[in-house]
Amino acid sequence: SQELEQSPQSLIVQEGKNLTINCTSSKTLYGLYWYKQKYGEGLIFLMMLQKGGEEKSHEKITAKLDEKKQQSSLHITASQPSHAGIYLCGAASYSGGGADGLTFGKGTHLIIQP
Amino acid sequence: AAGVIQSPRHLIKEKRETATLKCYPIPRHDTVYWYQQGPGQDPQFLISFYEKMQSDKGSIPDRFSAQQFSDYHSELNMSSLELGDSALYFCASSLELAGVYNEQFFGPGTRLTVL
Repeated sequence: SQELEQSPQSLIVQEGKNLTINCTSSKTLYGLYWYKQKYGEGLIFLMMLQKGGEEKSHEKITAKLDEKKQQSSLHITASQPSHAGIYLCGAASYSGGGADGLTFGKGTHLIIQP
Repeated sequence: AAGVIQSPRHLIKEKRETATLKCYPIPRHDTVYWYQQGPGQDPQFLISFYEKMQSDKGSIPDRFSAQQFSDYHSELNMSSLELGDSALYFCASSLELAGVYNEQFFGPGTRLTVL
């Protein structure tokens, strides 16, 4: 099964600063997902990457998947209090099927200091 | 926009009782997934269904079963509940698209407490 390692485990950032969260796998990543979760609440879908070198942006959040498809990064520009939460990366197994369950990393806890 | 609906939102049961969790996917979504998230843990995939057929299976205990109905809603049935089953249970839904990985949208979860 696929194992995802996220770093850092926790991150405290001053409001307005940029930050990066990483997600690394020992195996090729097929379908790499980024979610945000508030404690005890549902996961909010951010982005999904499939192709090596792919990059997607939404508002102030940019996600990239490296060419080798073994590492992804999530970058937040000019962080705001609303960005605080737990960021989870998830990966689909390679069965080629669309209904594959996701394996998640342990998450990165992001705190934004005013 | 409509989201995934889960019911109930909270459920308290005694050991050895049964529980049924319901999931109503986003309209026009044909695939549902169930995940279990223990306290301080990452979500663990249990099972998924596409067009009423089981599609993928994860770490779902034998005491649990699930199905998807003709209107695409899904139910997770849990029997002989144990203390360790206390967790947040998420349902996610997606629209199956050929050749691409599906964007899975999660519901708010059902918090199950087993006493």
